[in-house]
Amino acid sequence: GENVEQHPSTLSVQEGDSAVIKCTYSDSASNYFPWYKQELGKRPQLIIDIRSNVGEKKDQRIAVTLNKTAKHFSLHITETQPEDSAVYFCALLKGSNYKLTFGKGTLLTVNP
Amino acid sequence: NAGVTQTPKFQVLKTGQSMTLQCAQDMNHEYMSWYRQDPGMGLRLIHYSVGAGITDQGEVPNGYNVSRSTTEDFPLRLLSAAPSQTSVYFCASAPGLAGETQYFGPGTRLLVL
Repeated sequence: GENVEQHPSTLSVQEGDSAVIKCTYSDSASNYFPWYKQELGKRPQLIIDIRSNVGEKKDQRIAVTLNKTAKHFSLHITETQPEDSAVYFCALLKGSNYKLTFGKGTLLTVNP
Repeated sequence: NAGVTQTPKFQVLKTGQSMTLQCAQDMNHEYMSWYRQDPGMGLRLIHYSVGAGITDQGEVPNGYNVSRSTTEDFPLRLLSAAPSQTSVYFCASAPGLAGETQYFGPGTRLLVL
């Protein structure tokens, strides 16, 4: 199946700093790129997504950028807060095969 | 709306036992899926369905069966449980057929001894 590499695996920042998580992929036919947040012991929750015809999307303190040429997409969180601490997963979908493929996750810790 | 629900929350099985993990959604979503989550592995797709009567394999289907007789329900069956199937299982559903915008259930934690 489609492979997606996610980095870093852990990220620790001070409250108020920015955090960036990057994912790279290989199949140029991938066309949907969501990001999920999973708090400890909870279900994954969709926080933002982007489609291949868009380069950037923002929702308050969260943004996602997509570079189709380089085949990578990134999650940007600005003005981080302790409640942003969680595991974040990138994922991608190739529209023709209906299968969502996840990265291995990034544990983000925001220190007060 | 209850969204996506899963039962049981937690289950202990002995090797060789069978069981069914239940998943239901009340959002009239056509797409439903099952994932397993293991430490350091992210979420891996087991099986998915794009509508009643239609199922297909994901990345890790071996040892699992599914069926989709109604739009609402998508049970996952373990025919003969193995310790390697110890995991957290999540069901999800999505409004479109492609699998975008998936909403996850609360998960079932399964321990196979």
